[in-house]
Amino acid sequence: DAGVTQSPTHLIKTRGQQVTLRCSPKSGHDTVSWYQQALGQGPQFIFQYYEEEERQRGNFPDRFSGHQFPNYSSELNVNALLLGDSALYLCASSRGQGARGYTFGSGTRLTVV
Amino acid sequence: AQRVTQPEKLLSVFKGAPVELKCNYSYSGSPELFWYVQYSRQRLQLLLRHISRESIKGFTADLNKGETSFHLKKPFAQEEDSAMYYCALSAGNFNKFYFGSGTKLNVKP
Repeated sequence: DAGVTQSPTHLIKTRGQQVTLRCSPKSGHDTVSWYQQALGQGPQFIFQYYEEEERQRGNFPDRFSGHQFPNYSSELNVNALLLGDSALYLCASSRGQGARGYTFGSGTRLTVV
Repeated sequence: AQRVTQPEKLLSVFKGAPVELKCNYSYSGSPELFWYVQYSRQRLQLLLRHISRESIKGFTADLNKGETSFHLKKPFAQEEDSAMYYCALSAGNFNKFYFGSGTKLNVKP
């Protein structure tokens, strides 16, 4: 079992551009949650997808959007990138919406220049 | 509002010494508290949760509701314990975490 897979591992974008990050959940998991981890900080909840719908959202602007596909994989989209969006983006999958059963991916390091 | 505070960014101890990583939280209800660990070049992984009252790799943590704390302890640190440790709180419908900013534990030989 490959666990949670995120792609790409690293990404460099220019301010104002748009980016899409991808996450494949662990086998048997149907829920995907996304977190942003800025340098020197703990992960911060962005949103959670379950049954292809956004179920809960953290304190992030509408520039952050997502999608979940029928195979439970998920994408995180960020529009109009700002320098402050530079961070490690973590995906966590679980069976059901509970956070207790999270498995985290290794993350995508996004650098906005 | 929910908040998790880890006051120490870096904690250095010698091998064999006791370790205590501090975590304080603010939440008016009954949260669940967790410790996550991230070893070098590895992904974030669950170390222990308060509801299990378990000891993992010699680490224990007791939830003190009066002091709103969930400190992580180990009586004798090992070099392989060197890692980043995050305290996390889950509350409400328990489907997301609030993380602290983390403490880097460095165990010296």
